[in-house]
Amino acid sequence: NAGVTQTPKFQVLKTGQSMTLQCAQDMNHEYMSWYRQDPGMGLRLIHYSVGAGITDQGEVPNGYNVSRSTTEDFPLRLLSAAPSQTSVYFCASTSRPSGVVRETQYFGPGTRLLVL
Amino acid sequence: DAKTTQPNSMESNEEEPVHLPCNHSTISGTDYIHWYRQLPSQGPEYVIHGLTSNVNNRMASLAIAEDRKSSTLILHRATLRDAAVYYCILDRDDKIIFGKGTRLHILP
Repeated sequence: NAGVTQTPKFQVLKTGQSMTLQCAQDMNHEYMSWYRQDPGMGLRLIHYSVGAGITDQGEVPNGYNVSRSTTEDFPLRLLSAAPSQTSVYFCASTSRPSGVVRETQYFGPGTRLLVL
Repeated sequence: DAKTTQPNSMESNEEEPVHLPCNHSTISGTDYIHWYRQLPSQGPEYVIHGLTSNVNNRMASLAIAEDRKSSTLILHRATLRDAAVYYCILDRDDKIIFGKGTRLHILP
């Protein structure tokens, strides 16, 4: 298994440009999420999805769109990039067992985004 | 959202035990306590989780207070490779919220 993969690893954008950060997992996980991490800060939840066709907002959703058309993929779209979106973006996934305990989250290696 | 409180940073000497505290006074009966850590320039990785009883695995131990309002992650013998940011999280609902965590410095 490749686990959680993210592309690209690094991207430079100009203010106002759009782009899509890709995230894919091959573990058949139902739950996927996107976090951003600013220097010296913890992770902040942007959007998450509990299954194909279902998405919801996290702590900091403004400026980002998501969709979940398949179980494997959960792309994050920046429609009009702003310097405040300069950050490292992590995608994560986990299974949703029927019991109470959620299994561990597996994180991708991150995408480093610089918006000029 | 489920909230936890951790010290911003801690130091420990190499090869000594480390106790990382976490307060979660608003914990409810079905909330699991999860710990993750993030090594430099990497994504977070799972460390351990528990509900009521103390837990051990190959990486660490988790001690949970009797009232469950606090917990402690124990690294039994810290190495330089344990230098990381450690996050304590309450697994309550679909929003998995990370705080700022504790940055652990290991002194050789």
